Amino acid sequence: AQSVTQLGSHVSVSEGALVLLRCNYSSSVPPYLFWYVQYPNQGLQLLLKYTSAATLVKGINGFEAEFKKSETSFHLTKPSAHMSDAAEYFCAVTGGYNKLIFGAGTRLAVHP
Amino acid sequence: DTGVSQDPRHKITKRGQNVTFRCDPISEHNRLYWYRQTLGQGPEFLTYFQNEAQLEKSRLLSDRFSAERPKGSFSTLEIQRTEQGDSAMYLCASGRDGYTFGSGTRLTVV
Repeated sequence: AQSVTQLGSHVSVSEGALVLLRCNYSSSVPPYLFWYVQYPNQGLQLLLKYTSAATLVKGINGFEAEFKKSETSFHLTKPSAHMSDAAEYFCAVTGGYNKLIFGAGTRLAVHP
Repeated sequence: DTGVSQDPRHKITKRGQNVTFRCDPISEHNRLYWYRQTLGQGPEFLTYFQNEAQLEKSRLLSDRFSAERPKGSFSTLEIQRTEQGDSAMYLCASGRDGYTFGSGTRLTVV
């Protein structure tokens, strides 16, 4: 069965610092992996997705993620945090019928 | 592309009442999913439709929950005899190659 583990429920960075949000997955088949962002009282917005093409995936708002099969990881990074990046971030892997299986989320705080 | 629309955005109901939520997917999307998200957690899969056929239901979807997608267009999710534990955000997503989420319906059972 597929599953996702997000390490760190809360991450705090200074504005301009590197953002690193960790995601490890478990999948019995080659996975499709996703990162979503959620702002308060809103739905989920797709940041980026990995679908077995390039292992380094670039997304919106300057985010990128690298698929590492040997480490079963798909960590999300951004070189320089902005105040507007403060939100909840979810990693997800596809399961049967292409449904998404989400991690518990990481809340990113950005302070001046 | 008008996005995935969910109605209502917020619903407050008394315990024991029935509620119904609606999701209007992007018109050409044949796949439709419902998820439930409780505070501080990631969304959890509830059910999946391909066109009008409900192909998978999570064990989270108790007998009090029912979902329909008549004619493969909009979908409804009904909760009968609501309980306080049903309080959550209910998210709908539609897709063909990817997924687009609606803004969700926040249910509060008092």
